[in-house]
Amino acid sequence: SQQGEEDPQALSIQEGENATMNCSYKTSINNLQWYRQNSGRGLVHLILIRSNEREKHSGRLRVTLDTSKKSSSLLITASRAADTASYFCATGPNTDKLIFGTGTRLQVFP
Amino acid sequence: EPEVTQTPSHQVTQMGQEVILRCVPISNHLYFYWYRQILGQKVEFLVSFYNNEISEKSEIFDDQFSVERPDGSNFTLKIRSTKLEDSAMYFCASTRDRGGTGELFFGEGSRLTVL
Repeated sequence: SQQGEEDPQALSIQEGENATMNCSYKTSINNLQWYRQNSGRGLVHLILIRSNEREKHSGRLRVTLDTSKKSSSLLITASRAADTASYFCATGPNTDKLIFGTGTRLQVFP
Repeated sequence: EPEVTQTPSHQVTQMGQEVILRCVPISNHLYFYWYRQILGQKVEFLVSFYNNEISEKSEIFDDQFSVERPDGSNFTLKIRSTKLEDSAMYFCASTRDRGGTGELFFGEGSRLTVL
């Protein structure tokens, strides 16, 4: 079964607006992570939220986790053109087999 | 800041040829991974490696693939007889912790083009 399906697939906003991306998953997890990928580059870890946490903040990032609905959201506040990238959620029982979602392509226009 | 390095950045090969992709994980990391991403598609797990053996592998990681840590620093992915569908970006990653506590640190990737 597929893990980590993000929506929307693509999102275009203006600088200063907030961007919200959602991730759904199917199996039980110990944690959920969000990664960012600039075009043609490697993935960069953004934030990890554990299964017993409901919300976590890191700078302009806010992540929520609802294990009853098997879903997570990533909110980027006051977006900047430099936030333009693809964002992936990743889940797994542990990091031995971390499964990435399909990703949301975020475009932030100056 | 320590980083995962991968070579080559781009390799073009003929179908049927053997390819070796190289990675130097972060020095105090113990767990190593290969992922691949076909252009425009999702990042797919290939294999995880710890203590000189494979921990997990996906259905993609068939007999054509192998991994090795030949010395204390390098971690390699070998594709014995490349196919057209092996064309993708291959990412190496490493982490110090597992068991749900560790983030993965990724290299910049090796783009493989099979003609």
